[in-house]
Amino acid sequence: QKEVEQNSGPLSVPEGAIASLNCTYSDRGSQSFFWYRQYSGKSPELIMFIYSNGDKEDGRFTAQLNKASQYVSLLIRDSQPSDSATYLCAVTNQAGTALIFGKGTTLSVSS
Amino acid sequence: DAGVTQSPTHLIKTRGQHVTLRCSPISGHKSVSWYQQVLGQGPQFIFQYYEKEERGRGNFPDRFSARQFPNYSSELNVNALLLGDSALYLCASSGGTGDTEAFFGQGTRLTVV
Repeated sequence: QKEVEQNSGPLSVPEGAIASLNCTYSDRGSQSFFWYRQYSGKSPELIMFIYSNGDKEDGRFTAQLNKASQYVSLLIRDSQPSDSATYLCAVTNQAGTALIFGKGTTLSVSS
Repeated sequence: DAGVTQSPTHLIKTRGQHVTLRCSPISGHKSVSWYQQVLGQGPQFIFQYYEKEERGRGNFPDRFSARQFPNYSSELNVNALLLGDSALYLCASSGGTGDTEAFFGQGTRLTVV
């Protein structure tokens, strides 16, 4: 059973701080990695994707990938109360036909 | 541009009934995938369709079936509903069958009573 593991949280950070979200995956054949944000009662929203080892930055978000360690992370700089949500890590299966999701990490940003 | 649209948004069904959920992908996208999300869990993969062909199937019983139409819209059918089928059903649209970004619709909240 291929798995994606995330700490469920809640992760609590003050406004303006850096939030660090982590994810590990078991399938070495996974090639693509995604972070989705999901507000309560809403559907997941794609915020970052990364395909190669290293860092990828987009505004306040940075995704980091280490395939050798099977580890993906998301950093959120200058966290805002509006960032309070559940963050889902997803990786593709080896065939590239499905996303395998973790259970999500709940982030709470206090003002 | 319109995003992924799903209908209906909410649905209440009785055990043993059948349900059909619908999805229209982003214009130009040829791949549609279906996911089930129960409370407190991440979405679980049910099916992927690309160019009207099934390309992937998750670990769901045969009561679940799907199809994709020539205009790339899709239907998910669930027969003989069980209480445990109550969930948020998500449709994701992507440009290809490979490792490309997938965008979700607003979901259909199914409650089985």
